[in-house]
This record gives sequence, C-alpha cells and structure tokens, in this order.
Amino acid sequence: QSVLTQPPSVSAAPGQKVTISCSGSSSNIGNNYVTWSQQLPGTAPKLLIYDNNKRPSGLPDRFSGSKSGTSATLGITGLQTGDEADYYCGTWDSSLSAYVFGTGTKVTVL
Amino acid sequence: QVQLQESGPGLVKPSQTLSLTCTVSGVSISSGMYYWTWIRQPAGKGLEWIGRMFISGKTNYNPSLKSRVIISVDTSKNQVSLRLSSVTAADTAVYYCVSGYCSGSDCYPRYWGQGTLVTVSS
Repeated sequence: QSVLTQPPSVSAAPGQKVTISCSGSSSNIGNNYVTWSQQLPGTAPKLLIYDNNKRPSGLPDRFSGSKSGTSATLGITGLQTGDEADYYCGTWDSSLSAYVFGTGTKVTVL
Repeated sequence: QVQLQESGPGLVKPSQTLSLTCTVSGVSISSGMYYWTWIRQPAGKGLEWIGRMFISGKTNYNPSLKSRVIISVDTSKNQVSLRLSSVTAADTAVYYCVSGYCSGSDCYPRYWGQGTLVTVSS
C-alpha cells in the first residue's frame, strides 16, 4: 500500500496544462526530496524530475516540479499526445528507511 | 549513459527462490558513482521499491520484503543480483533493475532497465 497519494487520473486538451499532486507526510515528502517519473505505455519508467524541481539534461521545460510542506506537484504545460502516460512521485521515507512511490496518475490528452 | 539489462527465469514455482541478474554497461559498479536498486511492478499496478545496495555494502530493503530479499553485486562481472525467497503468486511482476544516483542528501532512481517479467506459478 502506497504511502504517497496521487489522483488516479487527470486529463486536458492538447496545448493545455495539467498538474498532478502527490500527498505524503513529514516522514517522507516533508523532509526529503521528491522525484517524478514518467511511464509511457508498455515501457519502463523514466526520470522526469529530481531534487523536487530539477530536470535531467535534455528534458523539455514543459515539465516542472514543486514541493510545499508534505505535498509535491508535477506540472506539464503545452500538453502533447506523446505525454499520455502514467506518472509516479517518489521519495525516501525516513520512518520506513525505504523509498516509496505514489499511487500513480494516468494522464490523458483529450 | 548507464544501460541495464535484466535476465533470469521468466517462470518460478511457488515456494522457490526468484533469482535475477542485471548486467550493467556504461559505468563500472566499482566506481561507486551509482547505487543499485530493484523495483517491481505487478501487471496493471504501481511501482514497488524492493531495495538498494551501495558499493560500500550498505543495503536497505522494503520492510514488507526484508526477510526474503538479498541484493548483491559482482564487481568482476559488473552485475547486480536479486534473490527473493519463498515466492508466491503475489510476487508475479515486472522486475526492474535501476541505477540510483546521490546528489547531496538526495538519492533517487536515475536509469531504469527495460524490465523482465517473472511469473510465479506451478
């Protein structure tokens, strides 16, 4: 059972913006950095955001991350059909001494 | 760039031990630049972190799997291994080998292998 909660799905039209929330607690998001990963259909996940808001080199700036308290948010602007995927937040949980993932959010481009 | 390739039996019988190997290329495990993680994903479900190992030998395991898991490395072969004992159908999943990177106090999964499906069935 995931300790990080995400909405099951979000959707928007091409070109629009979506945001995905990730809710945790003081033992995880509240005191550790958050990552976001993208999993395109039938493929392995890929790192999108690390250190709450940093992008790996080569990743478009349409993807952004932020953190406030015990919650984090992934934003995708200029939505494209190629962005249809599952998105997972993740962070270290100091109480569990384990890395934990969110429940996952499916992004649909209408 | 780091590349990871998982290999191992695709079918394991209940109560037996699941053994997977991850062959690493693009970086030497001995360099200590990355740590090594296994993550799994049951069909249609989310990601579950299994555990990680640093080149120092330090390990962390998911508390729910800790009694059954061993992660190890073979620096001579540049490989990472996963052993999960006493498997049941609930262990059926795609297993990913992942290289983790530490930036300051943040350690996170960086590069993912393509994954390998393991089915537990008699």
